[in-house]
Amino acid sequence: DSGVTQTPKHLITATGQRVTLRCSPRSGDLSVYWYQQSLDQGLQFLIQYYNGEERAKGNILERFSAQQFPDLHSELNLSSLELGDSALYFCASSGGASEQFFGPGTRLTVL
Amino acid sequence: GESVGLHLPTLSVQEGDNSIINCAYSNSASDYFIWYKQESGKGPQFIIDIRSNMDKRQGQRVTVLLNKTVKHLSLQIAATQPGDSAVYFCAEPNQAGTALIFGKGTTLSVSS
Repeated sequence: DSGVTQTPKHLITATGQRVTLRCSPRSGDLSVYWYQQSLDQGLQFLIQYYNGEERAKGNILERFSAQQFPDLHSELNLSSLELGDSALYFCASSGGASEQFFGPGTRLTVL
Repeated sequence: GESVGLHLPTLSVQEGDNSIINCAYSNSASDYFIWYKQESGKGPQFIIDIRSNMDKRQGQRVTVLLNKTVKHLSLQIAATQPGDSAVYFCAEPNQAGTALIFGKGTTLSVSS
């Protein structure tokens, strides 16, 4: 158990819909990272937050957004969903070192 | 540019054998590498890391070797067990140090 929690574990929705994925980092970790894992693209970095502020952006679509709250939990919002957004979404946290601890992921299926 | 890749997508071994999983990287300035293990239905789990000032680092049943000359690293698993069956990724921080770049992964299958 990495100490990072993610909810929900599975999410099934339809195209055009909007969903919110939630992540709670390890106790004390200020950084939260979101990654997308699909079969053809592997693990791709989406966005990083540090202590409530956006720190870095990766291959994140404009339809996607995230935020980190004062209690350090983070949410990833995915809107206008398309079939190609079906993937595993992972949250990771770190305390400042390079090592990142990953949550169990949310499996999103868009029908 | 930044990229991390693996030589083989799959590796099948017998229980008790030693496994070697390879990874090539392109950025000669890379100074830190991490190996992650991802079991089915779970998130990536840290196994071992190595900095560029080292050629070798050992953990429990795992050894990572770094060859900076040819920009190659490998993960060696001794006495492979069925519980080692998983996808293994090498990763490195991007140039800004803000995220990890992952290779495509090698699926290790251990048969008993």
